Amino acid sequence: EAQVTQNPRYLITVTGKKLTVTCSQNMNHEYMSWYRQDPGLGLRQIYYSMNVEVTDKGDVPEGYKVSRKEKRNFPLILESPSPNQTSLYFCASSNLLGTQYFGPGTRLTVL
Amino acid sequence: RKEVEQDPGPFNVPEGATVAFNCTYSNSASQSFFWYRQDCRKEPKLLMSVYSSGNEDGRFTAQLNRASQYISLLIRDSKLSDSATYLCVVSTGTYKYIFGTGTRLKVLA
Repeated sequence: EAQVTQNPRYLITVTGKKLTVTCSQNMNHEYMSWYRQDPGLGLRQIYYSMNVEVTDKGDVPEGYKVSRKEKRNFPLILESPSPNQTSLYFCASSNLLGTQYFGPGTRLTVL
Repeated sequence: RKEVEQDPGPFNVPEGATVAFNCTYSNSASQSFFWYRQDCRKEPKLLMSVYSSGNEDGRFTAQLNRASQYISLLIRDSKLSDSATYLCVVSTGTYKYIFGTGTRLKVLA
């Protein structure tokens, strides 16, 4: 089954404790992206990657890092999480037509 | 001005009604347009891409008006299962996607 998986699905952490949210896709897509969704603001793009070792900033990259060492994986790293990074995070991969397939989401709370 | 704007709704319509949503975008260089559906904080799922000539998929029709910089979604014969938030997405073709904040639709029995 074609899918995008994210882990963990739910995470409660404390300020400053480094965390990684994993994202994996099995569709051999070159393009992957991370979004955060906040009430009233919609989905905002954090980082995206057009291929292995090629990443670029989206609209809200501050406080986040990503890496793309393999085509299927695109982890999101929060080196020092802060409460304003409490959000619902979605990973997506895209085919050449631009259709994005989203993971189930990760609900992060930073205390 | 937001890059992509949608009326947040909610649009409350009876079953069987026809409902239309508009979405305006500010970047005239935008090349790709999509409508996604999102159920109650679950992941967005593609409803349909929007082509220049307009396109239809069953009860759903999407239109693009480049001159006025808006796209529209028409839903005919609304079903209870159509209740969701509809997200407008615009891309300039450089893998940067801008999402609208969504329009909530509630179809009432």
